Amino acid sequence: EPEVTQTPSHQVTQMGQEVILRCVPISNHLYFYWYRQILGQKVEFLVSFYNNEISEKSEIFDDQFSVERPDGSNFTLKIRSTKLEDSAMYFCATSDGSFYEQYFGPGTRLTVT
Amino acid sequence: LAKTTQPISMDSYEGQEVNITCSHNNIATNDYITWYQQFPSQGPRFIIQGYKTKVTNEVASLFIPADRKSSTLSLPRVSLSDTAVYYCLLAYNNNDMRFGAGTRLTVKP
Repeated sequence: EPEVTQTPSHQVTQMGQEVILRCVPISNHLYFYWYRQILGQKVEFLVSFYNNEISEKSEIFDDQFSVERPDGSNFTLKIRSTKLEDSAMYFCATSDGSFYEQYFGPGTRLTVT
Repeated sequence: LAKTTQPISMDSYEGQEVNITCSHNNIATNDYITWYQQFPSQGPRFIIQGYKTKVTNEVASLFIPADRKSSTLSLPRVSLSDTAVYYCLLAYNNNDMRFGAGTRLTVKP
């Protein structure tokens, strides 16, 4: 079964540093999403992306965050200047239609020290 | 966005049928009801989606009454591997998906 992959599985960074989290979507999927989950808390929607544009973003997705598809395959989430409270599991999800089920990747655990 | 209410946790035993009910009194006309499952340290996994009446797939059934103010996820004959958090979501499309706290199901031997 096709799956979404994410790299790295774990990233440790110092406060104020930039991080880029990478996702490889399922090949025919055109809709991409990022979510985060702080340890022990609920899954939170960050952003949706289609046709090289952000479709929707939450209040969490402020100017410190950006997304892009740099090479037409990878889908990335960049955090410009990390804060301690950015420590969380970040999940990428993809779907082949805006109304269809989302397939989630295994996540990247981001630890900001 | 309409809010959902689910039990925080439930216990069951292997082989039993488990029913998890989600309340959504303010569901919008365009909202679909979707359930996801999440194991520890993994991303959520789609289980089932419906708009009204009953939907069944190979893993679960979803019952939605006519007023759509609640829905019930039914897992037949659970096993230990069904221990997970189950989320009920309302959304018109994937751009609206907002996860709640979910129901932590523990299946015991």
